[in-house]
Amino acid sequence: ETGVTQTPRHLVMGMTNKKSLKCEQHLGHNAMYWYKQSAKKPLELMFVYSLEERVENNSVPSRFSPECPNSSHLFLHLHTLQPEDSALYLCASSFEEQGYGYTFGSGTRLTVV
Amino acid sequence: DQQVKQNSPSLSVQEGRISILNCDYTNSMFDYFLWYKKYPAEGPTFLISISSIKDKNEDGRFTVFLNKSAKHLSLHIVPSQPGDSAVYFCAASVGANDMRFGAGTRLTVKP
Repeated sequence: ETGVTQTPRHLVMGMTNKKSLKCEQHLGHNAMYWYKQSAKKPLELMFVYSLEERVENNSVPSRFSPECPNSSHLFLHLHTLQPEDSALYLCASSFEEQGYGYTFGSGTRLTVV
Repeated sequence: DQQVKQNSPSLSVQEGRISILNCDYTNSMFDYFLWYKKYPAEGPTFLISISSIKDKNEDGRFTVFLNKSAKHLSLHIVPSQPGDSAVYFCAASVGANDMRFGAGTRLTVKP
């Protein structure tokens, strides 16, 4: 266990479904992140939350909706996704003021059919 | 437990000298290794990779070395430049799935 837990590990969903990815950390970190890892592409930053407030949204389509109810939990709500959204979605956390020491979860492998 | 470890959270190097960033892993099934570079307020960007069938891969000033028997990966940057100052992540995967990242090492290259 890395300290950042992501569930589910694998998810297959249809384009009309609604699902949510969950991320949980108990490291005392104050920043949490969603990343997208597509095949043969660099890791893409999607959302950043600092002290439970969204501070960055890298022009992510509205079919991805993040939620950070508290400093330990982060969700990514998915609806009406496209096949090209199939990827590995990684959550990470850190002490924002340090600028390093990221702890990544193992990711959720999402397949949109 | 964390399968990919970067035990040095920070490294400071003089401009023109060599920077060596280290990474250790525990899972002998990993067959693909990558280094990412991250500037503040940006997502990590891919830097260089190596397959487990090789022990060295070079791209300009960047060279990655893989020692499978020691389960050790290193990134050499020579000569180091101030623009190389960033956080560097080591990552490893089995096939295309289940990529694991290290915690990162902050490199500072001083002019």
